[in-house]
Amino acid sequence: RKEVEQDPGPFNVPEGATVAFNCTYSNSASQSFFWYRQDCRKEPKLLMSVYSSGNEDGRFTAQLNRASQYISLLIRDSKLSDSATYLCVAAHYGGSQGNLIFGKGTKLSVKP
Amino acid sequence: EPEVTQTPSHQVTQMGQEVILRCVPISNHLYFYWYRQILGQKVEFLVSFYNNEISEKSEIFDDQFSVERPDGSNFTLKIRSTKLEDSAMYFCASSTRGVWDSTGNTIYFGEGSWLTVV
Repeated sequence: RKEVEQDPGPFNVPEGATVAFNCTYSNSASQSFFWYRQDCRKEPKLLMSVYSSGNEDGRFTAQLNRASQYISLLIRDSKLSDSATYLCVAAHYGGSQGNLIFGKGTKLSVKP
Repeated sequence: EPEVTQTPSHQVTQMGQEVILRCVPISNHLYFYWYRQILGQKVEFLVSFYNNEISEKSEIFDDQFSVERPDGSNFTLKIRSTKLEDSAMYFCASSTRGVWDSTGNTIYFGEGSWLTVV
């Protein structure tokens, strides 16, 4: 079964805190991974792709461990504007195309 | 920034009625998708479309659903006879390349069409 599992949350943190989200995927054939951000009742927006070597974009760092089928997202120096639901996503390749498999998301609330 | 546009933003329909949700993907994109999200649940894949035909579809995408690209710009999702459980946010998305190509590829989502079946 193709699934992506995430920490249920919610995570309530003060401004400036460092917070980490974890995610596991069950389909070992998944090749590409992403973190999306979704604000309440809005569309998912790509935050960053996740590469095997790990990658960083400003305050955000994503890591991938293929052996453990584990993905993480680290947010440093949290801002109020970081409050959202963070979706872990795996790209599944089937047929001629493929599609995205979404986790249920982890809600982050950053407080002043 | 380029965007995917969807209409209507919200539609209320009676059970058994037909609904058409419309999407205008980004103009130079070739791959199109529909996803849905039931309130409080995860985003679920419905169907992908490329080169004027369905590439892949999920178990959710049964005979009640159909997609069409009637002209060079619109991409529609039709639900033939709506059920209560079809109530959800429906997201259209598009990309320049297939999802397997993560190199510089971004899948853009529209703002969604919220469907309420009563």
